[in-house]
Amino acid sequence: GDSVTQMEGPVTLSEEAFLTINCTYTATGYPSLFWYVQYPGEGLQLLLKATKADDKGSNKGFEATYRKETTSFHLEKGSVQVSDSAVYFCALLQGAQKLVFGQGTRLTINP
Amino acid sequence: DTAVSQTPKYLVTQMGNDKSIKCEQNLGHDTMYWYKQDSKKFLKIMFSYNNKELIINETVPNRFSPKSPDKAHLNLHINSLELGDSAVYFCASSRGTGNQPQHFGDGTRLSIL
Repeated sequence: GDSVTQMEGPVTLSEEAFLTINCTYTATGYPSLFWYVQYPGEGLQLLLKATKADDKGSNKGFEATYRKETTSFHLEKGSVQVSDSAVYFCALLQGAQKLVFGQGTRLTINP
Repeated sequence: DTAVSQTPKYLVTQMGNDKSIKCEQNLGHDTMYWYKQDSKKFLKIMFSYNNKELIINETVPNRFSPKSPDKAHLNLHINSLELGDSAVYFCASSRGTGNQPQHFGDGTRLSIL
C-alpha cells in the first residue's frame, strides 16, 4: 500500500540555520503531497502542498518540490526561527481522501 | 472563529467505560474524518464521512462507532474502553473528495486509567 517515510528525528538546530527534512513516498499513480505542522498542544496545520510533479509548494519561508523521479518531497527553509519548533508531518493523498502520514519529525530550534 | 472544534479537549476515564468525542466544523465542508495519534506521534486515519455517508473505515475495532447527524458534525463513540485506546484523536474536514487539503481540530487527549 501507499506509504511515507520521513527522516528520523528529533532534529535540533540553532536559529538561522538551514533546515532540510527528508520525505520519500511509495504510491501507485500520482498522489498529492503535503507538509503539515503540529505546534505543541495544537492540531495539525497545513504548511504547504504540491499536486503534481515538479510543483513547488511554499509558505512561511518553507519550500518543498514534488520530485517524481526520486519520489521525494523534502522540506527546506533557509533560516529557521525558534518559533518553527514543532513536529512536521509529510503526507500523501490519493483516491478517496485517505491521507497517509509519515511518522513525523520533531524539530527544535535553539536561540 | 474556530474552524474545526472538538470537545472535550481532555478525557480521562476508567477502563470499560463508554465515552463520546464530538466534532463540529463551520467551514461548509462536506467530508469529515477521525484520526488517531499514538504516543509516538504516528497518525492514522480511522473513518471518513462524505455527506453523512461512511466512505473510509480502516481496520478499527467495532467498539468505535462514528455518527454523523449532519454534514457539519462527526462524533466518535467508543464502547468498553481499553488501555490501548489512550491516544490523541483528531477530527478533520475537507471540501469534497478530491485532492483538497484537510483542516484539523486541536485534538482530544484520551487517557484510560
